Amino acid sequence: DTEVTQTPKHLVMGMTNKKSLKCEQHMGHRAMYWYKQKAKKPPELMFVYSYEKLSINESVPSRFSPECPNSSLLNLHLHALQPEDSALYLCASSRNRERDEKLFFGSGTQLSVL
Amino acid sequence: AQKVTQAQTEISVVEKEDVTLDCVYETRDTTYYLFWYKQPPSGELVFLIRRNSFDEQNEISGRYSWNFQKSTSSFNFTITASQVVDSAVYFCALSEVDHTGGFKTIFGAGTRLFVKA
Repeated sequence: DTEVTQTPKHLVMGMTNKKSLKCEQHMGHRAMYWYKQKAKKPPELMFVYSYEKLSINESVPSRFSPECPNSSLLNLHLHALQPEDSALYLCASSRNRERDEKLFFGSGTQLSVL
Repeated sequence: AQKVTQAQTEISVVEKEDVTLDCVYETRDTTYYLFWYKQPPSGELVFLIRRNSFDEQNEISGRYSWNFQKSTSSFNFTITASQVVDSAVYFCALSEVDHTGGFKTIFGAGTRLFVKA
């Protein structure tokens, strides 16, 4: 199994809603990532978990709250988002955080905030 | 700071043409890794190749080939006899050490390739 699975594929939410994005991998990878990608832009790193501990928060607003319940799962809790938060949210994993590690990506959640 | 530049925003070719996607990088590290990823319309980025800074041999995989030139800090990607299925956004990337001592991936802006039938 070399897949990273993300749900839901599409999400529309209002600015007062609370929702969660889910990501799962069963490759035994110990590093997991959330990226945000706006149209026609490269992915921007948001959070990195290494061995289920938060390693990097790239100054992401607190309305985004990551969670890593176990080594296979990664969640992104969303609350009080703004329309400018509309984007493709990509989850990725890698064996670890060494220099040569390649990333395995999910197909993303396309989020629209109304 | 590390940087990856993909100067070509969009390229359009006709099927069976060869096409080269350019990538220029900046780094102060003596040991580093470069990557290419493909992002088809379905959304997920797919790893294509990884190259370390000590290995300047060119690599060929089917219709894909990569030319790494340390002297010009370039890692270009050529698709021979392009096909419609090659239509995607291609990202060049570089690994960079972060403040935790681990590494993170720095992506270039991407090149959108359209292959017309």
